[in-house]
Amino acid sequence: DTAVSQTPKYLVTQMGNDKSIKCEQNLGHDTMYWYKQDSKKFLKIMFSYNNKELIINETVPNRFSPKSPDKAHLNLHINSLELGDSAVYFCASSQEVQRYNEQFFGPGTRLTVL
Amino acid sequence: GDSVTQMEGPVTLSEEAFLTINCTYTATGYPSLFWYVQYPGEGLQLLLKATKADDKGSNKGFEATYRKETTSFHLEKGSVQVSDSAVYFCALSPGGYQKVTFGTGTKLQVIP
Repeated sequence: DTAVSQTPKYLVTQMGNDKSIKCEQNLGHDTMYWYKQDSKKFLKIMFSYNNKELIINETVPNRFSPKSPDKAHLNLHINSLELGDSAVYFCASSQEVQRYNEQFFGPGTRLTVL
Repeated sequence: GDSVTQMEGPVTLSEEAFLTINCTYTATGYPSLFWYVQYPGEGLQLLLKATKADDKGSNKGFEATYRKETTSFHLEKGSVQVSDSAVYFCALSPGGYQKVTFGTGTKLQVIP
C-alpha cells in the first residue's frame, strides 16, 4: 500500500544518455513535485504540478522535462545526462489542508552518471 | 523570498541525552512550519507541524513550538535513542500551492 512510489530505485548510466524516472501516488492528492537531493543532503525543488498543470518550475536545465499524464502520475525525463545530474531524486505529493502543505515523499531514485 | 536556517551538523549525542536542533525562518505572512525526518536510504517523512504562532507540534517524543516573535521553530527531545539517528529538516509552507522551503538538514547521530 505504498503511498508514493518511484521507479527505478537505482539508476546507473553513462554521460550523454537519456533516462526517465516514474512516480505514482495513490493518496488522491492534486499536487505532485520533483526534488533533487545532492550529496550534502541539500533538497531543492525542481517542478510542481497541480492537476496536471505545471505550477512551479525552478531554474532547471531544459534537459529535464516533467510529464504528468494524470494527477496520480508525474514522470521525469532527463536528456543528455551529465555528471552533475548524479543525485537522489524524490517525488512528492500533497493536498492543501487548512492552508498548509504537508508533503508525502517517495523513497527516492539514486541516479549515478558515469 | 522565504528562507529557513538550521544549525549545521553533524550532531553527535549519547543515548538518553537532550536534543536541540535550532531552526529560524524568514517569511512574509504567516507560514506553517514543519520538521521532517529522513532515515538512511529513505525519503523524508513528516515528524511534526505547527500552523500558527504559539502552536506546539509533537510526535514520538519530539516537540517544537512556533515562536513568531523570534521567528524560530527549534526541535527538542528529552532523551534520544539510537533509532533517532537521521537527518532532520526544518521547513516552511506559505500555504496554497506556493513552494515549501526546506532548510539544509541537520544530521543527528546517537551513539549507545
